[in-house]
Amino acid sequence: AQKITQTQPGMFVQEKEAVTLDCTYDTSDPSYGLFWYKQPSSGEMIFLIYQGSYDQQNATEGRYSLNFQKARKSANLVISASQLGDSAMYFCAMRESGGYQKVTFGTGTKLQVIP
Amino acid sequence: DAGITQSPRYKITETGRQVTLMCHQTWSHSYMFWYRQDLGHGLRLIYYSAAADITDKGEVPDGYVVSRSKTENFPLTLESATRSQTSVYFCASSESVAADNEQFFGPGTRLTVL
Repeated sequence: AQKITQTQPGMFVQEKEAVTLDCTYDTSDPSYGLFWYKQPSSGEMIFLIYQGSYDQQNATEGRYSLNFQKARKSANLVISASQLGDSAMYFCAMRESGGYQKVTFGTGTKLQVIP
Repeated sequence: DAGITQSPRYKITETGRQVTLMCHQTWSHSYMFWYRQDLGHGLRLIYYSAAADITDKGEVPDGYVVSRSKTENFPLTLESATRSQTSVYFCASSESVAADNEQFFGPGTRLTVL
């Protein structure tokens, strides 16, 4: 079974609008971390935001917020006031506390911001 | 400059050749990782290392060899390159393996095997 599922291969959003990128995960580990990374066309992986499984509040970092619904095992990324520079691939990832601590990545969502 | 670097950034080689991709980090992070990125697969772990001289396989280790004689370096070698190893390779490091510890990624190496 997929541990991280991103069901939207591509999305469009109008500049200045908000957009939600979906991510669901699967784990039986009670302690885990969820991450979002941005990969622009230049190729580097840029860390955006982190949510811990025990965190009570949804994480926020500037225009990025993570809508964490633990019971539903979802960790959607919300980007407010989209900018042209937000056009990129976005990857959801999970780190579990067991095993060799690797980070499992989803297949990504390509976001295109339209002027 | 501090951070994590990879070299070369681009490499074209032929089937059967040996290729080594270099990764260097200046943070003295204990943990280092090699991923490959292919369309439709996201990033998949090839090998990881918990410390100097400690390495272990990830999801897709076949055809790759790693070493870690120094904390700051984690080279990845393709012993006999195949076309299926055409990919973008990312090196990453992290200070610990706590669930809340992010990984920092290098800029990637785009490898083409002809």
